[in-house]
Amino acid sequence: ETGVTQTPRHLVMGMTNKKSLKCEQHLGHNAMYWYKQSAKKPLELMFVYSLEERVENNSVPSRFSPECPNSSHLFLHLHTLQPEDSALYLCASSHGDRPQFFGPGTRLTVL
Amino acid sequence: GESVGLHLPTLSVQEGDNSIINCAYSNSASDYFIWYKQESGKGPQFIIDIRSNMDKRQGQRVTVLLNKTVKHLSLQIAATQPGDSAVYFCAGYTSGTYKYIFGTGTRLKVLA
Repeated sequence: ETGVTQTPRHLVMGMTNKKSLKCEQHLGHNAMYWYKQSAKKPLELMFVYSLEERVENNSVPSRFSPECPNSSHLFLHLHTLQPEDSALYLCASSHGDRPQFFGPGTRLTVL
Repeated sequence: GESVGLHLPTLSVQEGDNSIINCAYSNSASDYFIWYKQESGKGPQFIIDIRSNMDKRQGQRVTVLLNKTVKHLSLQIAATQPGDSAVYFCAGYTSGTYKYIFGTGTRLKVLA
């Protein structure tokens, strides 16, 4: 494993549910990222936190709400999602201008 | 607009042969490039990186070549093995922006 863990690994939820994805990095990095990976599409950057401050928000719908309580933990709160939000959600971390390291992802299915 | 793309969606190679995966980028401000490998059911795994002040970098069985003139980079895998079967994609990064731009990926299939 890369030192970035994500839970749960799989999640099935209805459109009216509220759930949260969790990411934890054990690498001492100072930036954390949420990406969405859909079939046959490039990785889409959703949010970036640097030193626990949000520095990037790529026009993501408000039904996705990130939270970064400290430099090691990152959450993605989900509510009233749509079926088209079904995808692999990847968390990554980095330090300065060094490569990102990714977690294994959460496979999300919205019914 | 900004993009990082791959020339071929699928590449099939014989075990033991060399593989070459190509990537084109459009953002001239990109100064750092990374190749990732993603196996089924896993997150992307870092393979090798290169900064824009270099044109070649070698790792274990892998080499990345960067041609800034034509905005092209490639990943060469020597003596391809079955364990190399995965999706490979490149990412371009501009220092200080926190923004990595990823290609769609090339699926490498290693034939026995």
